[in-house]
Order: sequence, then C-alpha cells, then structure tokens
Amino acid sequence: GAVVSQHPSWVICKSGTSVKIECRSLDFQATTMFWYRQFPKQSLMLMATSNEGSKATYEQGVEKDKFLINHASLTLSTLTVTSAHPEDSSFYICSARDEGYGYTFGSGTRLTVV
Amino acid sequence: KQEVTQIPAALSVPEGENLVLNCSFTDSAIYNLQWFRQDPGKGLTSLLLIQSSQREQTSGRLNASLDKSSGRSTLYIAASQPGDSATYLCAVNAGNNRKLIWGLGTSLAVNP
Repeated sequence: GAVVSQHPSWVICKSGTSVKIECRSLDFQATTMFWYRQFPKQSLMLMATSNEGSKATYEQGVEKDKFLINHASLTLSTLTVTSAHPEDSSFYICSARDEGYGYTFGSGTRLTVV
Repeated sequence: KQEVTQIPAALSVPEGENLVLNCSFTDSAIYNLQWFRQDPGKGLTSLLLIQSSQREQTSGRLNASLDKSSGRSTLYIAASQPGDSATYLCAVNAGNNRKLIWGLGTSLAVNP
C-alpha cells in the first residue's frame, strides 16, 4: 500500500515555456503532499507543502509565482514550473504521508530546460 | 532546531559483509524516523518506519533501531549484496507540521 505515482518521469522543454508535473496517491488519500527539489549529489530540498483545498505553503526562498502548486483533490497535486529557465533544470520529487507507512515518494521528474 | 547527521558519508565494502549505517538527531522529541534508499537518478524508496514508541523494525535483511534518549538510529544491513549499492537517507518527523528533517545520506557501494 501507500503508492505515489509521479508523471512525467522526465521532460525537456524550451526556455520560457511552462511544465506541469503530476503527483497522485494511488491507494490512499493525502490531504498533504510535499514537493522537493534535488540537485546532483545533494540532499532533498523541500520546496513547498501542498494542502488539499487550500493554498500551498512555500519554504523560504522559493518563488510561489514561479512554482505553482494545485492540490484540488485528495489524490492529486500538481507542480507547474512557469516560464522555465535553464537554472530550473533539476530533479523534482513529490511525497505524501500515509499514517501506516510514513512518507512515500514518487519516482521523481527530471526536468531539463534548454 | 532539529538537525540530522549521518555517518559515514560514504562506505565501500565487499559483498557479504554485515554493515551499520548511523543516524543521529539533536532533538529527541520526534514523532517517527524513517529510512529511505535512493538509487542514482531515481526517487526514494521507503525501507523502514520506526514510530517514536518503538525500538526497532525489521524487514528482510534490514534492521533499524531507534534510541530516542540518545538521539540515534542505526540501519543494519546483513549479508550485503551489490544490489544494496545506493544512497541511504535518514529522515526525522519532528513536529506537528509533519515536515521531514533529512540527513545528507550515506553512499554505499557493495563490491562483488
């Protein structure tokens, strides 16, 4: 149990375009999901906490207008990287918490902006 | 402020060895502690979850212990295999906001 599905697994986009990443909890409901960013050989960096039916909570230094988060249902949260630039290229991972299984992570999305 | 430290940062062992990865945290008031594995370029796989009231959890060749009073957790891997090669991350759930506090990980290489 406690499976989180993340799509796409990789995406290449042109500078200036927007990219949407989906995170779904498949067999449990998640009122809260988390979005992380990871640079090569570095630890996970929490970007924001996604709350179902309300606004996301962003960590200090994360631009909320740049990284739009929508959590419209108990099983789906989306992260949209708007007007992407090469410095936004990174590995993005979502996570959700299940009482019995703790935190479960998606498989991640490798974003490359060219 | 909760801080999580993992030692060693990197470890290289021959196949078959039993090994111990260490995780320490500064604030003993935790909700639970979770061990994860991350393969290069991949997401995280949860290995073991230890609630604050528990002392250890076991799954196959993995055993994780928790000593809240001393602020330590260990992940024991028995009879290591090349497929165990990955980065192992320890994370503490330390507050009502349910954010995870992460260690920097231990990079493990098991050599055939």
